[in-house]
Amino acid sequence: DAGVTQSPTHLIKTRGQHVTLRCSPISGHKSVSWYQQVLGQGPQFIFQYYEKEERGRGNFPDRFSARQFPNYSSELNVNALLLGDSALYLCASSRYLEDRDRNTIYFGEGSWLTVV
Amino acid sequence: GQSLEQPSEVTAVEGAIVQINCTYQTSGFYGLSWYQQHDGGAPTFLSYNALDGLEETGRFSSFLSRSDSYGYLLLQELQMKDSASYFCAVRSSYNQGGKLIFGQGTELSVKP
Repeated sequence: DAGVTQSPTHLIKTRGQHVTLRCSPISGHKSVSWYQQVLGQGPQFIFQYYEKEERGRGNFPDRFSARQFPNYSSELNVNALLLGDSALYLCASSRYLEDRDRNTIYFGEGSWLTVV
Repeated sequence: GQSLEQPSEVTAVEGAIVQINCTYQTSGFYGLSWYQQHDGGAPTFLSYNALDGLEETGRFSSFLSRSDSYGYLLLQELQMKDSASYFCAVRSSYNQGGKLIFGQGTELSVKP
């Protein structure tokens, strides 16, 4: 089975621009979460979506938004990019069933975003 | 606030045993997980503890003491390929299964 897939893998944007990152979860997984990982730090939670509804939001500005589609894929959008948005953006999926699965989330390889 | 503390780096030799500690302070607690991340790669799930005690998975074991808000990851028979960053992560919310709070990571260097 395919793992979590993300696109694009690398991209460079200019300050003020907008970016859309895409994620396809593992087949059968209905929950998608987004994380931001700055070099040398642990991933920071941005959003969780389950059954197309937002179930959690981290401490990120309103420039960050996301959505989940009927096929459970997801998009993360970031508007008015700042230099500080340069990071690895990770998508993760999980079944969201019993307790163990709620802790076993599977990450994609990520999208490296550089803002210049 | 919510925080997890782990050592920033650990060095060990091939064949040795290494323990990576993690202490946490969170508003809720529903389990401690450990993830491995190689340079440029995705974090991969290693182990999970919801209850006190030791969980063993091959060369890796993880321990949890909820009363001490403390856990550790034990890596045995170290191999060069174990050189990576290791993150502890806590789920602090019952109905947000995909939301984990991660530590800053411990960079493990395995020397020949």
